[in-house]
Amino acid sequence: GAGVSQSPSNKVTEKGKDVELRCDPISGHTALYWYRQSLGQGLEFLIYFQGNSAPDKSGLPSDRFSAERTGGSVSTLTIQRTQQEDSAVYLCASSLVRDSPLHFGNGTRLTVT
Amino acid sequence: EDQVTQSPEALRLQEGESSSLNCSYTVSGLRGLFWYRQDPGKGPEFLFTLYSAGEEKEKERLKATLTKKESFLHITAPKPEDSATYLCAVTGGTASKLTFGTGTRLQVTL
Repeated sequence: GAGVSQSPSNKVTEKGKDVELRCDPISGHTALYWYRQSLGQGLEFLIYFQGNSAPDKSGLPSDRFSAERTGGSVSTLTIQRTQQEDSAVYLCASSLVRDSPLHFGNGTRLTVT
Repeated sequence: EDQVTQSPEALRLQEGESSSLNCSYTVSGLRGLFWYRQDPGKGPEFLFTLYSAGEEKEKERLKATLTKKESFLHITAPKPEDSATYLCAVTGGTASKLTFGTGTRLQVTL
């Protein structure tokens, strides 16, 4: 069966440009998470979607970051006016329900030059 | 706030040399402790969930145990293909997120 799919796998952008990262979760999974992983750092929580509930945005580092999940499936993470410190691997994960194991995609490696 | 500390940061073993990885945690009302394996360039891959102190789970050469303060991932007679970074994470209370440790980087040599 298909796992979590993320695109693009790599993205290089210039400082100040906007980027969109896409996540296709496993079909039927109600929970969707975005995490960020920097070199030598742990996974940093960004945002959580659960069904039709309001998302938990408590991990978004600034108002330049936003995310949406359309139709309870595909999710897009948008970073506006990118900065060099935004360079990292952005990981998406989905789970069947809250507290079920997370299934991760292979991430989008974002490089801001 | 939930906290997870993993040790050691890196571990080098010879094939067949058993060892243990430690995950110390602080969480209010543990709902679950998770172990993941991450290979370079890949997303974390789920290994185990533990829910309460005293619980143990096994899979091939790996065994995870849980107390009220820490979890251990025991690796018995490791092989080179067990080389990876092992991540521990917890969730508890009303939190929606998993809090991850920074991982233990394991290298198993012939």
